[in-house]
Amino acid sequence: QVRLVESGGGLVKSGGSLRLSCAVSGFSLIDYYFSWIRQAPGKGLEWVAYISTNAAYTDYADSVRGRYTISRDNSKNLLYLQMNDLRADDTAVYFCARDRLYFAGLDVWGQGTTVTVSS
Amino acid sequence: DIHMTQSPSSLSASVGDRVTITCRASQAISVYLAWFQQRPGKAPRPLIYGASSLHSGVPSRFSGGGSGTEFTLTISRLQPEDFATYYCQQYNNYPRTFGQGTRLEI
Repeated sequence: QVRLVESGGGLVKSGGSLRLSCAVSGFSLIDYYFSWIRQAPGKGLEWVAYISTNAAYTDYADSVRGRYTISRDNSKNLLYLQMNDLRADDTAVYFCARDRLYFAGLDVWGQGTTVTVSS
Repeated sequence: DIHMTQSPSSLSASVGDRVTITCRASQAISVYLAWFQQRPGKAPRPLIYGASSLHSGVPSRFSGGGSGTEFTLTISRLQPEDFATYYCQQYNNYPRTFGQGTRLEI
């Protein structure tokens, strides 16, 4: 069964750091691009970052560039999002998603993990 | 960045109705447009990719159309489980961008 499971969310103070993980099962991480997407309370979906199959290419939303780092460990089937210098407006549910690019877009999503940044 | 605009922002309908949601891109994106359904407290569920192709398991009452800058999502014969929020999203390039959402209410 194809599945993504996020973990690592929690409550952190403004200026702090968190690392989110996304565990992949049912398929091999190495074959796909991945994205992180977030959703602030009561708001819409915001794409955060992507990473290519071999991590050669990454990109970020302007709102997180320079503070967040996306990475992957293909040997462990794990995707990561390192979040530094967190701010109150980073509070959101964070989803990881498989990105099949032009073939089918974001076709598999995790259930999300909640990050709360207190000021 | 490509800006995505959905209309309407909210919509009231009844079980059995046919509804259409429109999504407009600020620049041409060919057919690289996806639709997602999200129920409260849940992850987005992929419905449509390539503007008109249904993901596996999506009921045939959902249909999508359009290309370039204008796209539609149509739900025929609304079912109780269809009342949710719908998002369009372009994947023609990065950054991926989403519409603001359309809340479909009973």
